[in-house]
Amino acid sequence: EVQLVESGGGLVQPGGSLRLSCAASGFTFSSYWMHWVRQAPGKGLVWVSRINSDGSSTTYADSVKGRFTISRDNAKNTLYLQMNSLRAEDTAVYYCARERSWNDLQGRAFDIWGQGTMVTVSS
Amino acid sequence: DIQMTQSPSSLSASVGDRVTITCRASQSIGSYLNWYQQKPGKAPKLLIYAASSLQSGVPSRFSGSGSGSDFTLTISSLQPEDFATYYCQQSYSTPRTFGPGTKVDIK
Repeated sequence: EVQLVESGGGLVQPGGSLRLSCAASGFTFSSYWMHWVRQAPGKGLVWVSRINSDGSSTTYADSVKGRFTISRDNAKNTLYLQMNSLRAEDTAVYYCARERSWNDLQGRAFDIWGQGTMVTVSS
Repeated sequence: DIQMTQSPSSLSASVGDRVTITCRASQSIGSYLNWYQQKPGKAPKLLIYAASSLQSGVPSRFSGSGSGSDFTLTISSLQPEDFATYYCQQSYSTPRTFGPGTKVDIK
């Protein structure tokens, strides 16, 4: 079964750090770009970061740039998000997602999502 | 960054109704437009990719259309399991921005 399973969420104080993990199974992890998307309570989906298939290229939302680091270990089929200097506004469910591309169409989309892990930043 | 807007922000409909949700991009994105469905407490689910291609396993009552900057998601006959929030997303460039969502609830 193709799936993504996130872990590592929890309660952290402002200014603290947390590392999220996303374990992939059922597909060739090293062939896909991967993304993190977050959703604050009662709010919409917000893209956070992406990493290319071999880990050589990363991009971040302005709101997390310089504080969050995305990485991957293709040997372990695992995606990571290191979150430092956390703020109250980072409180959200964090999802990892696989991006699939359809070369014969103008298509690339997040076709597989994890179940999400909750991060709460509060004193 | 490309901004995405959706209308309406919410709608009430009955089972069997035809429902249309629109999405607009702040610039032309070709057909790099996706639609997702999200139910409370669950991860989003891909419905439509490349503006009009139906994701495997998604019922044929869902359809998408449009290109450039204006797009539409249509549910031809609303079913009880379709009550959810729907998001559009552009995949033309990074950041992969989402629309604010359209909540579909029971009239």
